Amino acid sequence: GIQVEQSPPDLILQEGANSTLRCNFSDSVNNLQWFHQNPWGQLINLFYIPSGTKQNGRLSATTVATERYSLLYISSSQTTDSGVYFCAVGSEKLVFGKGMKLTVNP
Amino acid sequence: DAGVTQSPTHLIKTRGQQVTLRCSPKSGHDTVSWYQQALGQGPQFIFQYYEEEERQRGNFPDRFSGHQFPNYSSELNVNALLLGDSALYLCASSYGINYEQYFGPGTRLTVT
Repeated sequence: GIQVEQSPPDLILQEGANSTLRCNFSDSVNNLQWFHQNPWGQLINLFYIPSGTKQNGRLSATTVATERYSLLYISSSQTTDSGVYFCAVGSEKLVFGKGMKLTVNP
Repeated sequence: DAGVTQSPTHLIKTRGQQVTLRCSPKSGHDTVSWYQQALGQGPQFIFQYYEEEERQRGNFPDRFSGHQFPNYSSELNVNALLLGDSALYLCASSYGINYEQYFGPGTRLTVT
């Protein structure tokens, strides 16, 4: 089945710093989504981005489907950005990476 | 516009018992998928329902079964509960089988 690798596994930043999260996947897919999981377990949709580039405020994402990777950029990080970020890929079912724990300190 | 809803929020069961979890999809969505998330791990796909039929299934035993109703809501049933079934169970809905999925808040199941 599809393998999904996220890096780095953990990241600690000072408020205001920028960060890049990477997601590599092993096969071509029709669906790629980025999620932020809050402390209560809710998965919040950040981007649906099987290819191309999208921006939403301080967040942006780029997927290069031919090279099987996606990047999530967080600029001017805030403490509320803390949590676990997941990349999930697939065609019908989603296969999740192990997640990246982000801690933003004030 | 109501999002995906799940019930109950929390559940405590004893080993060997049976449990039913419920999910109502986002308005306008017709496809429901279920995922299991163990502590510290990413969610794992259990199965997907579309047009009241199971379309795809992940690597889960037959103790895990489901159903989709004509109003697109869904149930997840787990029989003969094991301690290892303790997890957060997430329901996701989408319009069609191959599009953006939206997740509910989850049901946290503890098996003692």
